[in-house]
Amino acid sequence: GAGVSQTPSNKVTEKGKYVELRCDPISGHTALYWYRQSLGQGPEFLIYFQGTGAADDSGLPNDRFFAVRPEGSVSTLKIQRTERGDSAVYLCASSLTWRDEQYFGPGTRLTVT
Amino acid sequence: AQKVTQAQTEISVVEKEDVTLDCVYETRDTTYYLFWYKQPPSGELVFLIRRNSFDEQNEISGRYSWNFQKSTSSFNFTITASQVVDSAVYFCALSEETSGSRLTFGEGTQLTVNP
Repeated sequence: GAGVSQTPSNKVTEKGKYVELRCDPISGHTALYWYRQSLGQGPEFLIYFQGTGAADDSGLPNDRFFAVRPEGSVSTLKIQRTERGDSAVYLCASSLTWRDEQYFGPGTRLTVT
Repeated sequence: AQKVTQAQTEISVVEKEDVTLDCVYETRDTTYYLFWYKQPPSGELVFLIRRNSFDEQNEISGRYSWNFQKSTSSFNFTITASQVVDSAVYFCALSEETSGSRLTFGEGTQLTVNP
């Protein structure tokens, strides 16, 4: 079956601009996660959705970051007033339930110039 | 607070050698889960294994094996008869029952298998 998909695969934006990153989880997976991976580092947790609601957003670095999952499937990570420090690979993962293993998408490489 | 340490930043071996990747974790929970993921050059994280804290049995899957020891808070990963296709970054990760399902990853170990 289809895995987790993320669009775009690459995004280059100017400092101060707004960006949206999209994640399509595996069909039927109720849990969805966003992580951020900087070069040479392990992924860092950002936010977790169970269904439509954000069950844990404690990893979001500041209020410029926001994520939604309005229908319990596709999720969008939104970053306002981007900064150069936001440059990283943004990874999305999904799992059947919150207790199951997470399957990752290919990521979106965000570059803020 | 949960923490995962992968002390080996880079390992280089010759094909057919066995190699062990170390993972040490810290947690205050009695119920937790440990994971290994592979990240090949293409970048996509590939799930390899999940163990819960109540199951200390070692596991073998083909050339891969995992050794979980609660006494030393370690969850080591061994590749037997390594192949060039095993070259990747390998991440160990932990999730705690009380923290929900968020994963805390180690820094990763870059494994290079040379022909």
